[in-house]
Amino acid sequence: EAQVTQNPRYLITVTGKKLTVTCSQNMNHEYMSWYRQDPGLGLRQIYYSMNVEVTDKGDVPEGYKVSRKEKRNFPLILESPSPNQTSLYFCASSGRWQETQYFGPGTRLLVL
Amino acid sequence: GIQVEQSPPDLILQEGANSTLRCNFSDSVNNLQWFHQNPWGQLINLFYIPSGTKQNGRLSATTVATERYSLLYISSSQTTDSGVYFCAVALSGSARQLTFGSGTQLTVLP
Repeated sequence: EAQVTQNPRYLITVTGKKLTVTCSQNMNHEYMSWYRQDPGLGLRQIYYSMNVEVTDKGDVPEGYKVSRKEKRNFPLILESPSPNQTSLYFCASSGRWQETQYFGPGTRLLVL
Repeated sequence: GIQVEQSPPDLILQEGANSTLRCNFSDSVNNLQWFHQNPWGQLINLFYIPSGTKQNGRLSATTVATERYSLLYISSSQTTDSGVYFCAVALSGSARQLTFGSGTQLTVLP
């Protein structure tokens, strides 16, 4: 089954404790992206990747890192999480930039 | 950056009714997509439609790029159509960023 998977789905952590949210797709997609969704602010893009080893900032990259060492994986790294990073995070992928994006199920993160 | 406005912000319909959702954007775009977020939070792609018209069952979409708007039509609404509908666009040019509108919250009553 073609899909985008994210892990974990739910995470509670404390300020400053490094964490990684994994994202994987099995569709051989070139384009991958991370978004966060917050009440009143909607969906905002954090980082995106056009292909392996090619990443770029979205609208809200501060406090996040990404890497794209393999085509199928695009992890989101929070080196020192803060409470303002409490949010619902979505990973998405598309075959190429100008194609439909497919979203993962979301990761709900709470930073205390 | 590009501005994306969706209207109406909220819409309540009886099952079986038709509806039109609108997305206005402030600049030329090379990417426009419509998504549905169901009540469980899942985001589902509906259309990739930077220009022209597409149809998929009871849903269809039209984008008039020269006039900077897109419309999503839902015919014969069902309760399972409830949720939030988002359009997302990207500026023409080298950037590969999608900007989302604030969405239309649709409630279909049985």
